[in-house]
Amino acid sequence: EVQLAEAGGGLIQPGGSLRLSCAASGFTVSGSYMSWVRQAPGKGLEWVSIIYSGGLTYYADSVKDRFTISRDNSKNTLYLQMNSLTVEDTAFYYCVRVSPSIYGGPGEFGHWGQGTLVTVSS
Amino acid sequence: SYVLTQPPSVSVAPGKTARITCGGNNIGSKSVHWYQQKPGQAPVVVIYSDSERPSGIPERFSGSNSGETATLTISRVEAGDEADYYCQLWDSSNDDWVFGGGTKLSVL
Repeated sequence: EVQLAEAGGGLIQPGGSLRLSCAASGFTVSGSYMSWVRQAPGKGLEWVSIIYSGGLTYYADSVKDRFTISRDNSKNTLYLQMNSLTVEDTAFYYCVRVSPSIYGGPGEFGHWGQGTLVTVSS
Repeated sequence: SYVLTQPPSVSVAPGKTARITCGGNNIGSKSVHWYQQKPGQAPVVVIYSDSERPSGIPERFSGSNSGETATLTISRVEAGDEADYYCQLWDSSNDDWVFGGGTKLSVL
């Protein structure tokens, strides 16, 4: 059974840094497309970043040059390093395993963790 | 960047059919996924690749995609279907994953 467990959220001051982690079980992170999606309280879903099994990474414009997605294959864990945080980064952050598309490449966001809340406030 | 437009809300009586639209430029040429999110829970995919249904999702959920509009159809709506629904696709021109703004389905 695929399971994803996020950790690392909390209260952080503007300008600060935080690292989120996502411990995976039931599959290998290194062999999967893995993504982060966030949701500000009461708002819609916003894609943040994705890492391909081959190591290629992509970022939303809103986080580019501030956030870094990575993984530790030995720990089967996904990470999101977040720097220069602003109040607009306040959100629940979900770790997602992306299924392979029937057409090749990444497909639907098939498995989601329960999310971890990041609050940026002074 | 690519924009997906959903109605903020849709209301339907139990037993009737709900249709939730997702508009985008030439969206029919792209592969669209749909997610259901209930309060306090993580999203769940209910339709992928326009019209494919994951295992465990009732046959009442179906999807279509053509031209400028993708549609999620829920037949014989039940109270338990009340949730927020999001469409999503990959914008290959910008290497961006895009979500629609979400539609709140209310069962009257």
